[in-house]
Amino acid sequence: AQSVTQPDIHITVSEGASLELRCNYSYGATPYLFWYVQSPGQGLQLLLKYFSGDTLVQGIKGFEAEFKRSQSSFNLRKPSVHWSDAAEYFCAVGSGSARQLTFGSGTQLTVLP
Amino acid sequence: KAGVTQTPRYLIKTRGQQVTLSCSPISGHRSVSWYQQTPGQGLQFLFEYFSETQRNKGNFPGRFSGRQFSNSRSEMNVSTLELGDSALYLCASSLLPSGGEETQYFGPGTRLLVL
Repeated sequence: AQSVTQPDIHITVSEGASLELRCNYSYGATPYLFWYVQSPGQGLQLLLKYFSGDTLVQGIKGFEAEFKRSQSSFNLRKPSVHWSDAAEYFCAVGSGSARQLTFGSGTQLTVLP
Repeated sequence: KAGVTQTPRYLIKTRGQQVTLSCSPISGHRSVSWYQQTPGQGLQFLFEYFSETQRNKGNFPGRFSGRQFSNSRSEMNVSTLELGDSALYLCASSLLPSGGEETQYFGPGTRLLVL
């Protein structure tokens, strides 16, 4: 069975600092990988996705993620964080059909002024 | 193009009651999935519908059921509500259920509180 681990429950960074959120997955085949963001009381917004090809994926809001098969990781990065980036971030892996997603437990991001 | 819409946004019920939640997918999307989000269990897959047929089901009791209509709108029903059913219920739609590069787009959710 597939699984996703987000080892950092809560991360605090200062505005303008760089950010890296970690995600490790367990899945036998080539996974479909996603990062979603959730603001308080809201649904999930897709930041970026990886299905195949170039392992460095660009997303919305200046985010990028890199797929590393050897490390079973799909870490999310942003070079300069904005106060509006404060939210909860979820990494997810899709099964053979990408509709059924398994989510990590989420990382809550706090941005200090 | 309008996004995924869910109604109602908030709901309060008491134990033992039943509840029906509604989801309208993005126009043209034919696959609808439901997820439950709780602080303790996180985001968990409930079920997925395509062409009015349930295609996948997560590990939830039979009290949780759903259906999809010919216009792709979907409803989920929870009978005999328990306190532990309090959660944010998220609906997601995708264009097709093909085994491949289909992205799910999520609605804002329905927050259910069971007293």
